[in-house]
Amino acid sequence: GENVEQHPSTLSVQEGDSAVIKCTYSDSASNYFPWYKQELGKRPQLIIDIRSNVGEKKDQRIAVTLNKTAKHFSLHITETQPEDSAVYFCAASNPGTYKYIFGTGTRLKVLA
Amino acid sequence: NAGVTQTPKFQVLKTGQSMTLQCAQDMNHEYMSWYRQDPGMGLRLIHYSVGAGITDQGEVPNGYNVSRSTTEDFPLRLLSAAPSQTSVYFCASALSLNSGGDEQYFGPGTRLTVT
Repeated sequence: GENVEQHPSTLSVQEGDSAVIKCTYSDSASNYFPWYKQELGKRPQLIIDIRSNVGEKKDQRIAVTLNKTAKHFSLHITETQPEDSAVYFCAASNPGTYKYIFGTGTRLKVLA
Repeated sequence: NAGVTQTPKFQVLKTGQSMTLQCAQDMNHEYMSWYRQDPGMGLRLIHYSVGAGITDQGEVPNGYNVSRSTTEDFPLRLLSAAPSQTSVYFCASALSLNSGGDEQYFGPGTRLTVT
């Protein structure tokens, strides 16, 4: 079945450094790739997304890149701040199957 | 708009009991889904619906039933609770998953413990 692998599972960076989280998906028909941030005890919330007809998207300090040939996409956070500490999830959705599959999450710790 | 609402927030069940987790959205979204979240396992899709009267299984459907009689409501039923169903359950909705895909909006979650 469809699968999304996410790495690393935990990531610690110094405040001000960059963080990169990578995901690989198995379903080549997937065409929508969102990233969600989940703070402790809260619900997941969308922070950025990318569609299959775009290779890169940026929103202030966060960016996402997509390589459809290799079936992987990455989240880049620059100039990290303590409030970036959270669990980040990638996902892939296939409009044909209507399934929205999540990765297993990355716990990001930004050390002050 | 209230967005996506879920009740209850917390629930403790004994093994073998049944219950229904409620989910409602007021955004006229076509797509609704249920996930369970366990440590280290991410969010796993239980069931989903693409419109009233249409439901389908996700990755981990065993032990759960759903129905979608209206656009707004998508309850999740646990038929006979087991300790393995201890988890945090999230309901989510999206305008549509057709064509380019859409953001899913999550409810606040229900923390379920089965003893």
